[in-house]
Amino acid sequence: GAGVSQSPSNKVTEKGKDVELRCDPISGHTALYWYRQRLGQGLEFLIYFQGNSAPDKSGLPSDRFSAERTGESVSTLTIQRTQQEDSAVYLCASSLGAGISPLNTEAFFGQGTRLTVV
Amino acid sequence: AQSVTQLDSQVPVFEEAPVELRCNYSSSVSVYLFWYVQYPNQGLQLLLKYLSGSTLVKGINGFEAEFNKSQTSFHLRKPSVHISDTAEYFCAVRRRVNTGFQKLVFGTGTRLLVSP
Repeated sequence: GAGVSQSPSNKVTEKGKDVELRCDPISGHTALYWYRQRLGQGLEFLIYFQGNSAPDKSGLPSDRFSAERTGESVSTLTIQRTQQEDSAVYLCASSLGAGISPLNTEAFFGQGTRLTVV
Repeated sequence: AQSVTQLDSQVPVFEEAPVELRCNYSSSVSVYLFWYVQYPNQGLQLLLKYLSGSTLVKGINGFEAEFNKSQTSFHLRKPSVHISDTAEYFCAVRRRVNTGFQKLVFGTGTRLLVSP
């Protein structure tokens, strides 16, 4: 696609429910990143994919969070048993690759999914 | 661990005045540096990036930044701001390793408020 697409754009869920957030990266981009942005705060790294594997998942805050990527394309971030502190904007980004070429350095961001846990 | 510090959480400025948004990073190893802008209710957009070469980098919308290795800084500047520059600005760093790049690490952001 023309840009990184995230769905839904907004999600309100009840505490304890599971949610699934989707990211469609730019076609041909092999690297994909998930970040969390809490209100008034910076971007917090969650997980990074190169192809379908996740070399760095160090930012996932708990075992309630998981992510997968299939076909070197779409990725889903799943949050189980949501808590109020999970309320945030979840941003996805993709880049051409993760190798040392300067072409791989720029990450393109989607508009995010605003998650509200009530 | 790599970290990025943006000391100013908010910078108010009048229209047509110059502005500098400060960014310092922790690592002295090979890094790539970025500034992203986030307009209200929108995603992040790349303003400019430093990969190598000239330490003065020019970006979109009249912004520029200077890489200073000795001070580990990458401050963003604009000589004359517009109302439309009101947004959140994020500095980010990516450390280069032999196998590629580590993840982008972001600062906490600086909100630029431009008033008439």
